[in-house]
Amino acid sequence: AQKITQTQPGMFVQEKEAVTLDCTYDTSDQSYGLFWYKQPSSGEMIFLIYQGSYDEQNATEGRYSLNFQKARKSANLVISASQLGDSAMYFCAMRERWTGANSKLTFGKGITLSVRP
Amino acid sequence: DTAVSQTPKYLVTQMGNDKSIKCEQNLGHDTMYWYKQDSKKFLKIMFSYNNKELIINETVPNRFSPKSPDKAHLNLHINSLELGDSAVYFCASRKGPVAFFGQGTRLTVV
Repeated sequence: AQKITQTQPGMFVQEKEAVTLDCTYDTSDQSYGLFWYKQPSSGEMIFLIYQGSYDEQNATEGRYSLNFQKARKSANLVISASQLGDSAMYFCAMRERWTGANSKLTFGKGITLSVRP
Repeated sequence: DTAVSQTPKYLVTQMGNDKSIKCEQNLGHDTMYWYKQDSKKFLKIMFSYNNKELIINETVPNRFSPKSPDKAHLNLHINSLELGDSAVYFCASRKGPVAFFGQGTRLTVV
């Protein structure tokens, strides 16, 4: 079974509007972390935000927030006030046993976001 | 002051050759990784090292051999390159919860 699912087709958003990128996950671990990375056309992988499974509050980092719904096993990324530079591919990832040296990131297939001027 | 740096950024080589990709991190992290991103952009872990010790080897062909001379470096050597090895290879490092990635090495085997 897929551990990280990103099913949205390419997403489009108008500049300055908010957009939500969906991510669902599957794990039987109690301790895990959920992450979002951005990959612009230049190719680098940029860390955006993370949420630990025991964190009570949703994580926020500037214009990024992670809508964590544990019971639904979803960890959606919300980008507020979209900018042209937000156009990129976005990956959701999970690390199970997340403090262990043997833990690894498992990635979803990614979603392409295009911001329209 | 790049945190995780890989060299080279691009690598074009013929089938059958041997090549190496170098990775260095200046973050003082204990754990380093190699990930492979295929042509469909799917990212998959290949190896992880913790304090120079191999921790994860994710059923990668033994033509791929990682080497960690010290905590700050994790190199990837690939023998007898095949067409299917063409991909982007990312090095990453981690100490706390977050893994930071290098800029990637685009390997093209012709």
